[in-house]
Amino acid sequence: KQEVTQIPAALSVPEGENLVLNCSFTDSAIYNLQWFRQDPGKGLTSLLLIQSSQREQTSGRLNASLDKSSGRSTLYIAASQPGDSATYLCAVPIFGNEKLTFGTGTRLTIIP
Amino acid sequence: NAGVTQTPKFRILKIGQSMTLQCTQDMNHNYMYWYRQDPGMGLKLIYYSVGAGITDKGEVPNGYNVSRSTTEDFPLRLELAAPSQTSVYFCASSYRTETYGYTFGSGTRLTVV
Repeated sequence: KQEVTQIPAALSVPEGENLVLNCSFTDSAIYNLQWFRQDPGKGLTSLLLIQSSQREQTSGRLNASLDKSSGRSTLYIAASQPGDSATYLCAVPIFGNEKLTFGTGTRLTIIP
Repeated sequence: NAGVTQTPKFRILKIGQSMTLQCTQDMNHNYMYWYRQDPGMGLKLIYYSVGAGITDKGEVPNGYNVSRSTTEDFPLRLELAAPSQTSVYFCASSYRTETYGYTFGSGTRLTVV
């Protein structure tokens, strides 16, 4: 069974700092890995999708990396802003299995 | 460009009542999913569908039913609501999971009292 872990569960950093969020998964047979953002009381917004053949994916100040062999992904946020405050979740589907398994998320607070 | 639309956004049910949560997508996606999210917890898969007429159970299917008569619609039925079903419900869709990501609806917040 695929297990997805995100550490830390919560993180507070001052505005302007660069930061890294971590995601670990136990089964490396994945199609891709997706990072989502969830604002309080809202739905999930897709941020980045990394295919299993890729190592990195970038969108603006966000950069996600994927290391299948070690079962890890990181989400790097550059020059953090208060608007980045949200919960960030990673999720993976598994080969031959259409279900998406989610981590429990990292709640990020950017301090002005 | 509606994406995934869920209705209603909020609902309060009494114990034992039934209701249907609606989910519609206009992206011609094959795959559709229902998740529930409890406070401080991750998302748990309730049911999913890989195409019209095909549905399958996820991790927490008890107390729920689904149908998929069209590509666009994937309603979730709650029979005999219980307090344990108080949660936020999310519908999602995807074209092909190996190359495409998921699109989520904005959620339905359900309280059973």
